Amino acid sequence: DTGVSQDPRHKITKRGQNVTFRCDPISEHNRLYWYRQTLGQGPEFLTYFQNEAQLEKSRLLSDRFSAERPKGSFSTLEIQRTEQGDSAMYLCASSQIGGHEQFFGPGTRLTVL
Amino acid sequence: AQSVTQLDSQVPVFEEAPVELRCNYSSSVSVYLFWYVQYPNQGLQLLLKYLSGSTLVESINGFEAEFNKSQTSFHLRKPSVHISDTAEYFCAVSHDTGKLIFGQGTTLQVKP
Repeated sequence: DTGVSQDPRHKITKRGQNVTFRCDPISEHNRLYWYRQTLGQGPEFLTYFQNEAQLEKSRLLSDRFSAERPKGSFSTLEIQRTEQGDSAMYLCASSQIGGHEQFFGPGTRLTVL
Repeated sequence: AQSVTQLDSQVPVFEEAPVELRCNYSSSVSVYLFWYVQYPNQGLQLLLKYLSGSTLVESINGFEAEFNKSQTSFHLRKPSVHISDTAEYFCAVSHDTGKLIFGQGTTLQVKP
């Protein structure tokens, strides 16, 4: 297993367009987390899944954001009608239930023009 | 609600000097504490963690952190830094759900 992977690594889009990111966690990990990191700040929690169930969403996750983990394996994060303020690094992490170490992917850097 | 404050945004230090990166947290419940490191153009990596037991925890590359419950702190220290330690360091807390609450980060810049 090569760890958590994210695709794409970089995405440039125009304001108003929809984008979708994918995260593949470590295969035996039940929990999957999404975070957002803007320049000069620490990562901020967005949402997390335990298997296929989305158990918590941050208030940062507006109605334009939706995340899924349909079969309890990979996850997608979609942003509709992107805004310039959505420009950030989107990080995915996974862990085992009861395991307190999260393993992070390399992130997807989104630039909204 | 939980929060984390990293008291220094940048810490410049000369090679082989000691360093301390400060972290304070706020929480109404017991927490788990972490330090993550982000090297230039790389992803976040766990440096060390405190879950329970001994309040002093160590990493494999010479860093250590001490959990101080009375002062709600988890400062990171290294007695002698190397150029390769130049990176962004993030302190974080979590509870039973596992979601991490991060501080703003401290840039450690090691100069020759």
